Amino acid sequence: DAKTTQPPSMDCAEGRAANLPCNHSTISGNEYVYWYRQIHSQGPQYIIHGLKNNETNEMASLIITEDRKSSTLILPHATLRDTAVYYCIVRAGIQGAQKLVFGQGTRLTINP
Amino acid sequence: GAVVSQHPSWVICKSGTSVKIECRSLDFQATTMFWYRQFPKQSLMLMATSNEGSKATYEQGVEKDKFLINHASLTLSTLTVTSAHPEDSSFYICSARDRVSPLHFGNGTRLTVT
Repeated sequence: DAKTTQPPSMDCAEGRAANLPCNHSTISGNEYVYWYRQIHSQGPQYIIHGLKNNETNEMASLIITEDRKSSTLILPHATLRDTAVYYCIVRAGIQGAQKLVFGQGTRLTINP
Repeated sequence: GAVVSQHPSWVICKSGTSVKIECRSLDFQATTMFWYRQFPKQSLMLMATSNEGSKATYEQGVEKDKFLINHASLTLSTLTVTSAHPEDSSFYICSARDRVSPLHFGNGTRLTVT
């Protein structure tokens, strides 16, 4: 699976959009980009995933560059409860039993 | 949908004893579950892949005789930490998926070995 690079930490003001970048320059054509977050002392929570098109759901938007070498997770109106570690993971395929390998993620702090 | 439940959420045990952690997929069948371990201020580390009806696949450096995994049904996998020692104190997290959804995680089990 392709390696990802994320900034170790970010801050964002409450109510503003939080934009979390992820570089995955060695991504292969069949690899998806997944985003999870982990709030302190809880299990990771699935946020969103995509292959090449931009995706949006009730939690966030995922913007993938045309060359697919990087992506951005957008939390449109961040709240204090969005404070967490956000993980960007690249993995082949959605079917099957492929494991997820976590990097160090980005620690996002939402400030009041 | 795709709810994964872990039990217990926390456990304290004495050194030398064994502890069993359960992972259940509540509303779907999971042929494969994954077990992770997380030390303070670190990321999740994959320990093993649990396959229903067959032996688990362990990641390099994880002792299979110490961390026993049983996946006897499509909704339950168990991790038993045998002869636990203080260095086994950690946050253990399981995950599972059905055929169509991404991996979903349990809320973890915090193990403290005294």
